Amino acid sequence: EVQMVESGGGLVEPGGSLRLSCEGSGFTFSPFNMNWVRQAPGKGLEWVSSISSLSTRIYYADSVKGRFTISRDNAKNSVFLHMSSLRAEDTAVYYCAGHLYDSDGYYTEYWGQGTQVTVSS
Amino acid sequence: YELTQPPSVSVSPGQTATITCSGDSVPKEYAYWYQKKTGQAPVLLIYKDTERPSGIPERFSGSSSGTTVTLTISAVQAQDEAEYYCQSADSSGSYPWVFGGGTKLIVL
Repeated sequence: EVQMVESGGGLVEPGGSLRLSCEGSGFTFSPFNMNWVRQAPGKGLEWVSSISSLSTRIYYADSVKGRFTISRDNAKNSVFLHMSSLRAEDTAVYYCAGHLYDSDGYYTEYWGQGTQVTVSS
Repeated sequence: YELTQPPSVSVSPGQTATITCSGDSVPKEYAYWYQKKTGQAPVLLIYKDTERPSGIPERFSGSSSGTTVTLTISAVQAQDEAEYYCQSADSSGSYPWVFGGGTKLIVL
């Protein structure tokens, strides 16, 4: 069974840091491009960051650039999001998602169930 | 870069719902559609503008014309009430994923 499980969310004070993890199982993790997407309360989906299969290409949304760092460890089937200088507006459910086009052009995408991050004093 | 969706679409059960998504990069980049229900992870409905992943009912279809992509839901059911999001890339290469603002499908 394919699973993507996020962990590391919680309550943190403004200015604080948090590290999210996402571990994949039931599929071959290493070829997948990995992404973090968040949804703030009452708001829509917002893309946060992406990392390619070999970590050669990394992207960030403007809203988190300079504060968040994405990384991955293919040996542990995991992707991480280190968040620092957190603000109230970073409060959201954070989802990890992996996607891959195979050699035949068929697209596969997996999502985790999300982890809640709350930034509040 | 922005993708523009209508805030809401209303439809009666059994009818057809159409949700549009407009953006300057749409002609150059593939579009994807997701269904999002409260407390659940997004579900991919359409990829590469028109392709449907395995397990997604044929009632869901996608199309593209100019700067607009469209999600069509035929024979709408009560269980289809949800938020629907389009997603594409910024053609500059700086932002691989961009989401539209979402459309609330209301089943009357």
